Amino acid sequence: NADVMQNPRHLVRRRGQEARLRCSPMKGHSHVYWYRQLPEEGLKFMVYLQKENIIDESGMPKERFSAEFPKEGPSILRIQQVVRGDSAAYFCASSDTPGSTSRGSYTFGSGTRLTVV
Amino acid sequence: GNSVTQMEGPVTLSEEAFLTINCTYTATGYPSLFWYVQYPGEGLQLLLKATKADDKGSNKGFEATYRKETTSFHLEKGSVQVSDSAVYFCALSDQGAQKLVFGQGTRLTINP
Repeated sequence: NADVMQNPRHLVRRRGQEARLRCSPMKGHSHVYWYRQLPEEGLKFMVYLQKENIIDESGMPKERFSAEFPKEGPSILRIQQVVRGDSAAYFCASSDTPGSTSRGSYTFGSGTRLTVV
Repeated sequence: GNSVTQMEGPVTLSEEAFLTINCTYTATGYPSLFWYVQYPGEGLQLLLKATKADDKGSNKGFEATYRKETTSFHLEKGSVQVSDSAVYFCALSDQGAQKLVFGQGTRLTINP
């Protein structure tokens, strides 16, 4: 799924550092979704953004995590003061319309594997 | 809340064997149901979907039928190939919702 670009593919951070994960949606897509996959678990929804707006952040941890999708540039998922429990694969998906979810018209990126040491 | 339960993995089969991966769900209303596949090192790809009861989704020889009475969406394939080795995720989406709820995934390995 090269059309949704996530980088870096792998990220190693020491406890207490900041992690920044980037997601460039497909061309023409203005809706971005972030999911987290903990080891041996399914993907869990974190946040849904449109350009310059957070629409649903019901899955975001209350502290240390933030997300943005500026008018220009990629969407950023930022994790401050990382802990070992943040180690996971973080996936981004994008869509062109808000109704895409029920039609299955998401496109997923290849993910960023975050390891906290 | 909504949830999806998949059969525990990993599953290992020989080439040309019959495949079933069980998926059951709990949801309010009438969700859409999906199977996604994740090949090594890649993101998730939509494999098939069904949007209402008794619909059958199919793609690449895989099939799944939306069974409202048993709240199930089991994935089947009559004859698997080595190239089907991947992780398979069952998921649902409430109508109007902007997020997917995933099962834990089932790792499938097909041996030649």
